Amino acid sequence: GAVVSQHPSWVICKSGTSVKIECRSLDFQATTMFWYRQFPKQSLMLMATSNEGSKATYEQGVEKDKFLINHASLTLSTLTVTSAHPEDSSFYICSAVGQGAWGNQPQHFGDGTRLSIL
Amino acid sequence: DQQVKQNSPSLSVQEGRISILNCDYTNSMFDYFLWYKKYPAEGPTFLISISSIKDKNEDGRFTVFLNKSAKHLSLHIVPSQPGDSAVYFCAASAVRGNKLVFGAGTILRVKS
Repeated sequence: GAVVSQHPSWVICKSGTSVKIECRSLDFQATTMFWYRQFPKQSLMLMATSNEGSKATYEQGVEKDKFLINHASLTLSTLTVTSAHPEDSSFYICSAVGQGAWGNQPQHFGDGTRLSIL
Repeated sequence: DQQVKQNSPSLSVQEGRISILNCDYTNSMFDYFLWYKKYPAEGPTFLISISSIKDKNEDGRFTVFLNKSAKHLSLHIVPSQPGDSAVYFCAASAVRGNKLVFGAGTILRVKS
């Protein structure tokens, strides 16, 4: 149980392109989804928290106009990296928490998306 | 400001022996702690957690110990198996429903 699917797993695209990453909870309804970013050999850094049907809450330093998050249903959240540039190249991971989970934990993670901007 | 610290970047253990992974935190508001295991190019997998009202939680080969006064927790894996080789992240949250703060991770290598 508690399977989170993330798609695509790897994206290579040109600078200036917008990229959409999907995060789905397959066997549970996710009231809250989180988006993280991980640089090589570093820890996961939370970018934003999204609750179904409401606007995402962004962490300090994360540009909300750059990283658009939509959580339209209890099983799907999307992250769109708009006008991506090489510095946006990173590993993006989503996580989801089901209804009734104690205190939003534990979070269940997708397998991540490797984004490479040329 | 690193609120969750894993000071050992790597650990090497012989198969069958105990692996002990350590984590320190600075924020006294943290009340829930988790350990995740991560393979390259995959998302973290939840292993075990502990709330601040407990000092020990056990699940099979995995045991987490929490020392609140020292702001320290540890993950014990016994016996260690080669399949346990991965990066282990310690994470903490303050106040129910809040975000996770991750440590930098420890690479565990279990040698057969």
